[in-house]
Amino acid sequence: GDSVTQMEGPVTLSEEAFLTINCTYTATGYPSLFWYVQYPGEGLQLLLKATKADDKGSNKGFEATYRKETTSFHLEKGSVQVSDSAVYFCALSGLVSSGSARQLTFGSGTQLTVLP
Amino acid sequence: DAEITQSPRHKITETGRQVTLACHQTWNHNNMFWYRQDLGHGLRLIHYSYGVHDTNKGEVSDGYSVSRSNTEDLPLTLESAASSQTSVYFCASSESVYYGYTFGSGTRLTVV
Repeated sequence: GDSVTQMEGPVTLSEEAFLTINCTYTATGYPSLFWYVQYPGEGLQLLLKATKADDKGSNKGFEATYRKETTSFHLEKGSVQVSDSAVYFCALSGLVSSGSARQLTFGSGTQLTVLP
Repeated sequence: DAEITQSPRHKITETGRQVTLACHQTWNHNNMFWYRQDLGHGLRLIHYSYGVHDTNKGEVSDGYSVSRSNTEDLPLTLESAASSQTSVYFCASSESVYYGYTFGSGTRLTVV
C-alpha cells in the first residue's frame, strides 16, 4: 500500500528560527497531500493541503509544496513561535491495498518544541 | 457550526467490562473513522464506515466493534476491555478523502 515517511523527532528550535520537517511518500496514482497539527491534549487539525503536483498549501505562516518529481511534501515556516510547539503529521490520500478505496495514510508524527 | 464530538473525554474502566465510546458529527459526512493513538505507534485505524449500515475493519480491529445506524453516529464498543486497549481514541469524518478528515478531540481510555 501507499506510505508516508516523516522526519523523526523530536525537533527543538529557538523562537524565530526556520523550520523544516521532511516528508516523503510512496503512492500510486495522484494522491492529495496533507499536514495535520496536534496541540497537547487535542485532536488533529488540518494545517494545509495540496491536491496536485506543484500546488503549494499554506496556512498560519506554514507552507508545503507538492513535489511529484521528488515525491516530497516538506513543511516549512520562516520564523517559528513558542505557540507552534505541537506534533505535526504528514498524510496522503493513499491506497491501503490494491483495489481498496483511498484513505488517509499518516506518517509517524514529529514533535516540535520551540523555546523562548 | 458543524462539529464532531466525542464522549466521554476521559474514561476509566475495569478489565473485562464492555465500554462504548461515542462519536457524533453534524457535518453530514458519509465517511467516519476510529483511530487509536499510542506512543511509538502513531495513529492506527480501528474501524471505518462509508455510510449507514456499512462497517469495515482496520489494521487493529481485534476486540473492537462498530455499528452505523444513522449518518451522524459511529459508536465504538470494546467488547471486553483489556489493559492493552488503554489509549487515546480519535474519531474522524470526511466528505471525501481528497479533502482530508475532521477529527474529534479524543477520548482517553484507561483500563485497570
